[in-house]
Amino acid sequence: GAVVSQHPSRVICKSGTSVKIECRSLDFQATTMFWYRQFPKQSLMLMATSNEGSKATYEQGVEKDKFLINHASLTLSTLTVTSAHPEDSSFYICSAKQGVDQPQHFGDGTRLSIL
Amino acid sequence: SQQGEEDPQALSIQEGENATMNCSYKTSINNLQWYRQNSGRGLVHLILIRSNEREKHSGRLRVTLDTSKKSSSLLITASRAADTASYFCANTDKLIFGTGTRLQVFP
Repeated sequence: GAVVSQHPSRVICKSGTSVKIECRSLDFQATTMFWYRQFPKQSLMLMATSNEGSKATYEQGVEKDKFLINHASLTLSTLTVTSAHPEDSSFYICSAKQGVDQPQHFGDGTRLSIL
Repeated sequence: SQQGEEDPQALSIQEGENATMNCSYKTSINNLQWYRQNSGRGLVHLILIRSNEREKHSGRLRVTLDTSKKSSSLLITASRAADTASYFCANTDKLIFGTGTRLQVFP
């Protein structure tokens, strides 16, 4: 149980393109979803926290107009990297949790490469 | 800010040996979790230990928690090559991770 599906797993696109990444909780309702970014051999950096039906809370230094997050239902959150540039190339991971003090369950990540 | 720091940063052992990783954190916690990450993949939840627990077991995993020292340890017994991964500790709030321990188990 507690499966989180993230799609796509890999994206390669040209600079200036907007890229949407989906995160779905397949067998549970996620009250909260999180989006992380990870550079090679580094830890995950939390970008934003998303609660269903409300605006996402962004961490300091994360541009909300650059990284658009939508959490339209209890099983789906999307991250859109708008007008992506090479410096946005990274590994993006989402996670979802059912409630307070519950473990987070992670998707398999999306490797984004901007040429 | 990082709330968890893992130690050591890298660990190489032979199959069958035990691997011990440590985690120190800075603020108070309700729970602490350990995760593993295979290269280029998402994180897999291993075990959650609550602040009122001192030790917890799950299969070949043993986790301890010392809230007075703000530290936790993860022991993997009888390691296997498939245990090769990075291991992270985190709280259950925002899950701010440390840099992880990269474990390499040689067959």
